[in-house]
Amino acid sequence: DAKTTQPPSMDCAEGRAANLPCNHSTISGNEYVYWYRQIHSQGPQYIIHGLKNNETNEMASLIITEDRKSSTLILPHATLRDTAVYYCIVRPLTSGTYKYIFGTGTRLKVLA
Amino acid sequence: DAGVIQSPRHEVTEMGQEVTLRCKPISGHNSLFWYRQTMMRGLELLIYFNNNVPIDDSGMPEDRFSAKMPNASFSTLKIQPSEPRDSAVYFCASSGTGYPLQPQHFGDGTRLSIL
Repeated sequence: DAKTTQPPSMDCAEGRAANLPCNHSTISGNEYVYWYRQIHSQGPQYIIHGLKNNETNEMASLIITEDRKSSTLILPHATLRDTAVYYCIVRPLTSGTYKYIFGTGTRLKVLA
Repeated sequence: DAGVIQSPRHEVTEMGQEVTLRCKPISGHNSLFWYRQTMMRGLELLIYFNNNVPIDDSGMPEDRFSAKMPNASFSTLKIQPSEPRDSAVYFCASSGTGYPLQPQHFGDGTRLSIL
């Protein structure tokens, strides 16, 4: 079973920031939070991951709450090409823990 | 950089036929994963290889499914005989080693339709 909870869908206006929440209230101290997205007819695309500090890369920012029970993926200036299903995954940081358990994700629609 | 390459992109065949899906992982990656995606069950891990050795095949649905990784740059997933309920999108992913655990990178999948 997925260890994360996400809203099933969200809309965002083009050019605005898209904030995608994820609840992972049972996260353990050694578990990272990973975000992927899946654009229609493509494979899941890695976006970002983090443990407890906020992270930023060229695609997005990841904000993890201090208690680590939830996080938010931020796409700072959403474009129509960001329309996709976004998955939040928790994964232990120990060798051999290779499994991703994908939940149902959030379907983000960016509106023109 | 070349990503994970899967072939064919689409496959349509009749039930009972043998189906072979192919995957070339990213060069230098030593872990390879096969997933299946359906509307009903979402994305499911079928099998995981590390250094060409199958580590976990608990997700393989039944004996009709088999996977091999003869070398570090090639893997196959075979279904024999195929059935309509095998229709799905099959993804291959690869990852490297290192600390922290490297993210998995996915191919664009093979869309399989069994008639």
